Amino acid sequence: EPEVTQTPSHQVTQMGQEVILRCVPISNHLYFYWYRQILGQKVEFLVSFYNNEISEKSEIFDDQFSVERPDGSNFTLKIRSTKLEDSAMYFCASRPGQRLHEQYFGPGTRLTVT
Amino acid sequence: TQLLEQSPQFLSIQEGENLTVYCNSSSVFSSLQWYRQEPGEGPVLLVTVVTGGEVKKLKRLTFQFGDARKDSSLHITAAQPGDTGLYLCAGEADSSYKLIFGSGTRLLVRP
Repeated sequence: EPEVTQTPSHQVTQMGQEVILRCVPISNHLYFYWYRQILGQKVEFLVSFYNNEISEKSEIFDDQFSVERPDGSNFTLKIRSTKLEDSAMYFCASRPGQRLHEQYFGPGTRLTVT
Repeated sequence: TQLLEQSPQFLSIQEGENLTVYCNSSSVFSSLQWYRQEPGEGPVLLVTVVTGGEVKKLKRLTFQFGDARKDSSLHITAAQPGDTGLYLCAGEADSSYKLIFGSGTRLLVRP
């Protein structure tokens, strides 16, 4: 069964460094998302992406964050200068199309900023 | 701002008992999705309800969407230890399709 994949599973980085989290959404899905979950807290929306552009972003998704779909399969989240408070699980999700509501999540990348 | 209140936060029951988890909001959602999440893993989709009043069954799990599409419930019949885990509800915002998550219900089913 098709699934969303994410790499790496765990990333440790120093404050101020740039990180790129990678996702391969389910093939033929049209909508892509990034969410994050700080330890012990709710899953929270970061950004949605459709038709090669951001369709919505949350207040968390400031100028330090960017997303890209560099080719037909990958979907990346870049944090330019990481902060301690960026430490969290980052989940990628994809959705088939407008009329289908299901969002499928990847296994996540645990980002630890030291 | 759309919010989803999920209750209870924790539930510890004996094997064979029934339970219900609730998700409530003052906002209308296009759909309501239920996920199960294991520690350190991503949410796994259990079911999506779309129509007001819709009921879906997944073996011993029954999901219902409120008539006004503002609330939902998950009912488990004859719970088993394998049902132990974190259950999340997530409402789909009308405008952008993003998901608004509840805080989760951590279920422990004791043998």
